[in-house]
Amino acid sequence: AQSVTQLDSQVPVFEEAPVELRCNYSSSVSVYLFWYVQYPNQGLQLLLKYLSGSTLVKSINGFEAEFNKSQTSFHLRKPSVHISDTAEYFCAVQAAGNKLTFGGGTRVLVKP
Amino acid sequence: EAGVTQFPSHSVIEKGQTVTLRCDPISGHDNLYWYRRVMGKEIKFLLHFVKESKQDESGMPNNRFLAERTGGTYSTLKVQPAELEDSGVYFCASSQDWGLAQETQYFGPGTRLLVL
Repeated sequence: AQSVTQLDSQVPVFEEAPVELRCNYSSSVSVYLFWYVQYPNQGLQLLLKYLSGSTLVKSINGFEAEFNKSQTSFHLRKPSVHISDTAEYFCAVQAAGNKLTFGGGTRVLVKP
Repeated sequence: EAGVTQFPSHSVIEKGQTVTLRCDPISGHDNLYWYRRVMGKEIKFLLHFVKESKQDESGMPNNRFLAERTGGTYSTLKVQPAELEDSGVYFCASSQDWGLAQETQYFGPGTRLLVL
């Protein structure tokens, strides 16, 4: 079985400041790793994913995450946040069988 | 291309009543998933259809929940009778090809269920 821990339930951050959302996972088998984002009153959207290859993956809107196998982590970072990044962010893993296992979510509130 | 749609967006019912949630996946997607987020908890997997067949229903909480996907298109999730602990947000997701674990799952906006 897999489990995902998002260490911060809420992260307040000022506009244009950097942000890091922490994600650790546990699995006895190889997994794929995902970050999803849920903007207010919307569904979950895929932000980025790690399948194989380069351990640093990037999204089109400036987020990046690094897969660290030894630390079983997949932390999400953005060097400068915007008001529009206010959302809830979910880390998830996927092993064989296609179902996703999610962390508890991290609410990011960007303040002006 | 239309995304995953779910109906209704909100539902408020009394304990003991029946509620049916509907999900329309992206056209052509063979895989359909149901997930649930109870307030304050993580999003949890309920079940997975491949076309009209249940591939994995290990997350279904009990026999008050019945999921169907007739004809391999839309799916319904019925809760009968509803209990207070069933309150939460029910998400549906779809992906294209079975067997490719890296296939992106596209999520709907969710149905917010409140059982009073």
